[in-house]
Amino acid sequence: IAGITQAPTSQILAAGRRMTLRCTQDMRHNAMYWYRQDLGLGLRLIHYSNTAGTTGKGEVPDGYSVSRANTDDFPLTLASAVPSQTSVYFCASSELRRQGFGEQYFGPGTRLTVT
Amino acid sequence: AQSVTQLDSQVPVFEEAPVELRCNYSSSVSVYLFWYVQYPNQGLQLLLKYLSGSTLVESINGFEAEFNKSQTSFHLRKPSVHISDTAEYFCAVRGIQAGTALIFGKGTTLSVSS
Repeated sequence: IAGITQAPTSQILAAGRRMTLRCTQDMRHNAMYWYRQDLGLGLRLIHYSNTAGTTGKGEVPDGYSVSRANTDDFPLTLASAVPSQTSVYFCASSELRRQGFGEQYFGPGTRLTVT
Repeated sequence: AQSVTQLDSQVPVFEEAPVELRCNYSSSVSVYLFWYVQYPNQGLQLLLKYLSGSTLVESINGFEAEFNKSQTSFHLRKPSVHISDTAEYFCAVRGIQAGTALIFGKGTTLSVSS
């Protein structure tokens, strides 16, 4: 079982360009998340999806969009990248149960540099 | 809404010394509490969690954390650390209601030297 895969591993992107970070999970989890990790700020939630077909905004959604066409994939798109979006991006998934708890599993991350 | 404060950004210790990484949280509702570990150039892995029941929870590699509701704390401890424990540690909290987002602290870097 691969768990969560992310692509690319790293990317250098010119400002103003469009970029999609890919995330795929094979655990059939219903919930998926995108975080960005910045030094001294920890992980901040960008967008999330509790089930296929629905998405929601996290703490820092501006400049990002997501879609959830199926259970397994949760791509994150930067429509017009800016240098402040330089970060390490982590995708995560969890199984939302009736009682509300589900451990979050994280992908290996994508290191994005916007120049 | 919930928030998490990790009181130390960096904790340097010598091998075999005890360590405590401090975490305080605030919430108006009942919560679940977690510690995640991130080794260099890797994603986050769940270290341990408090859901309910016994306030002392343990991980398989010797870490433990105690939920203290009156002090709203969930400090992580290990009686004797190893070089391999060098990593960044994140405390996280979420409300018990389904769909509630996980809120992370800013992380504590544990550096173990010989």
